[in-house]
Amino acid sequence: GQQLNQSPQSMFIQEGEDVSMNCTSSSIFNTWLWYKQDPGEGPVLLIALYKAGELTSNGRLTAQFGITRKDSFLNISASIPSDVGIYFCAGPNGGSQGNLIFGKGTKLSVKP
Amino acid sequence: NAGVTQTPKFQVLKTGQSMTLQCAQDMNHEYMSWYRQDPGMGLRLIHYSVGAGITDQGEVPNGYNVSRSTTEDFPLRLLSAAPSQTSVYFCASSSATGRKLFFGSGTQLSVL
Repeated sequence: GQQLNQSPQSMFIQEGEDVSMNCTSSSIFNTWLWYKQDPGEGPVLLIALYKAGELTSNGRLTAQFGITRKDSFLNISASIPSDVGIYFCAGPNGGSQGNLIFGKGTKLSVKP
Repeated sequence: NAGVTQTPKFQVLKTGQSMTLQCAQDMNHEYMSWYRQDPGMGLRLIHYSVGAGITDQGEVPNGYNVSRSTTEDFPLRLLSAAPSQTSVYFCASSSATGRKLFFGSGTQLSVL
């Protein structure tokens, strides 16, 4: 079946540093989504990508839809303590428009 | 605007007990789904529904039942709880045309 490989699994960074994480798929996607999960809460959609090569920003966050359509990247610039959480990539999983497959997440810790 | 509401927030069950996790959304979304989140496993799809009266299985459906009698509600039933069902459960919804899932805040379930 489909698999999403997300890396790194965890990151410990200093406040103010930039962050990069990525996600690769075993199959071609037509949509990439990036979610953030705060402790004790459900995931919240950060960015949605719909076209190969697309680069989309949401404040300090920038995500890119890879040219091969099998990968995506998320960058966070000038990290702040509230960036702490788990970041998930997700893509379509067939069966229905809303079904998604998720990566295992990148846990981000930020030291003030 | 409440979005997706899940109850209860926490639940402890004994092996063999049954219970229903409640989920309601007020966004008039056609699509609803249930995911479980286990450490290091990301989110995995249990069941989903594309509209009232229509349900289907996801990746890990065994041990769970669902029904969709109204657009707003999508309860998840555990008929005979097992320790392997200890997890955090998330309900999500989206419009019929989009992949942008909106998640509830989760139910943390422990089965002893």
